[in-house]
Amino acid sequence: NAGVTQTPKFRILKIGQSMTLQCTQDMNHNYMYWYRQDPGMGLKLIYYSVGAGITDKGEVPNGYNVSRSTTEDFPLRLELAAPSQTSVYFCASSYILPPSGNTIYFGEGSWLTVV
Amino acid sequence: KQEVTQIPAALSVPEGENLVLNCSFTDSAIYNLQWFRQDPGKGLTSLLLIQSSQREQTSGRLNASLDKSSGRSTLYIAASQPGDSATYLCAVRPPGTYKYIFGTGTRLKVLA
Repeated sequence: NAGVTQTPKFRILKIGQSMTLQCTQDMNHNYMYWYRQDPGMGLKLIYYSVGAGITDKGEVPNGYNVSRSTTEDFPLRLELAAPSQTSVYFCASSYILPPSGNTIYFGEGSWLTVV
Repeated sequence: KQEVTQIPAALSVPEGENLVLNCSFTDSAIYNLQWFRQDPGKGLTSLLLIQSSQREQTSGRLNASLDKSSGRSTLYIAASQPGDSATYLCAVRPPGTYKYIFGTGTRLKVLA
């Protein structure tokens, strides 16, 4: 089982460039998330999706966009990259059975540096 | 607004010691709480999930407890080993949402 797969693992961007972080999961999970983790900080939620075609903003959505055209894929788009977006990005997925919920599975992270 | 705090930020212990990691949250209304392990340069791995109606969960040498009324959870690690060295994070899921709010983690180092 591949679980949650993120690409690329490392990327250096110049200020103003755009890029897409790819995320795919093979567990047929309905919920998917994008988090960022800054040094010494906890994870901050950028966007999440409750199913194909449905996305919603998290705590820190500015400068990012997402789409969810399939159950498996949840790409994160960075438009006009800024140094403040230098971070480690984690994609995660879960199968939520209301009202309690199940385990979250994380990808291995994408290290992004904006210079 | 729900906030999650983990103290201490870092901890070093000798091998074989039993230890407790702490997690505090400001709003006692939660659906569940999860403990995660993060190794350097890696993603997070879920260790234990405690539902709001439960008081504790156990997996091997790990035991997590939950006291919603006081807004606290502890992760107990028995007979610590150098392989337990990692950062441990807790996260809570508020009611009415499908999002998790994370603490900043405790970086554990077990010395051989």
